Amino acid sequence: AQKVTQAQTEISVVEKEDVTLDCVYETRDTTYYLFWYKQPPSGELVFLIRRNSFDEQNEISGRYSWNFQKSTSSFNFTITASQVVDSAVYFCALSAFAPGGATNKLIFGTGTLLAVQP
Amino acid sequence: NAGVTQTPKFQVLKTGQSMTLQCAQDMNHEYMSWYRQDPGMGLRLIHYSVGAGITDQGEVPNGYNVSRSTTEDFPLRLLSAAPSQTSVYFCASSYSWRGAGTEAFFGQGTRLTVV
Repeated sequence: AQKVTQAQTEISVVEKEDVTLDCVYETRDTTYYLFWYKQPPSGELVFLIRRNSFDEQNEISGRYSWNFQKSTSSFNFTITASQVVDSAVYFCALSAFAPGGATNKLIFGTGTLLAVQP
Repeated sequence: NAGVTQTPKFQVLKTGQSMTLQCAQDMNHEYMSWYRQDPGMGLRLIHYSVGAGITDQGEVPNGYNVSRSTTEDFPLRLLSAAPSQTSVYFCASSYSWRGAGTEAFFGQGTRLTVV
């Protein structure tokens, strides 16, 4: 079975604080992909990053960074020096190869609501 | 380039009514899917399609029908609306289902209330 767990339901920080959003996944597949999406108050889903199971290099994009650790099945997301505009719901998702071929079916976690206070 | 377009953005239905949520994409994507988003449950897959004429069920298909007659369009039909179908619905598309892990593009969502 495949599953994504985001144990943090809500996080509240003050602007300029660093914050880490946790994501733990379960899959028996050896080839899989992990994603983070942002859902701001306006409601749309914005793609942030994709990582495949063979690439454990951490990635940094501006104030955003991602830490992928296969040993702990985690794909955590850190925002450095948070800003009010970072306030959103963040979803971690998993996509894995299915028997008979690949699939782009995304399995989402339940999301973490991040509130950044000024 | 409009991306993924969903209509309507908001809808109120009475129990038992039927309706179709429209989804169109102009990126020539093979893979299209419908998700519903409920509080505390993330997004759950309703139905998906890997190309024109091919559809399959996701995690929560009951009460919904889909068809894919063209690459561009993937409508979602509610056959007989129930209050449990009150949710936000998202349509998504991605380039190819064969290359798992391609980025999914989402529509703006449809907020449906069934009374």
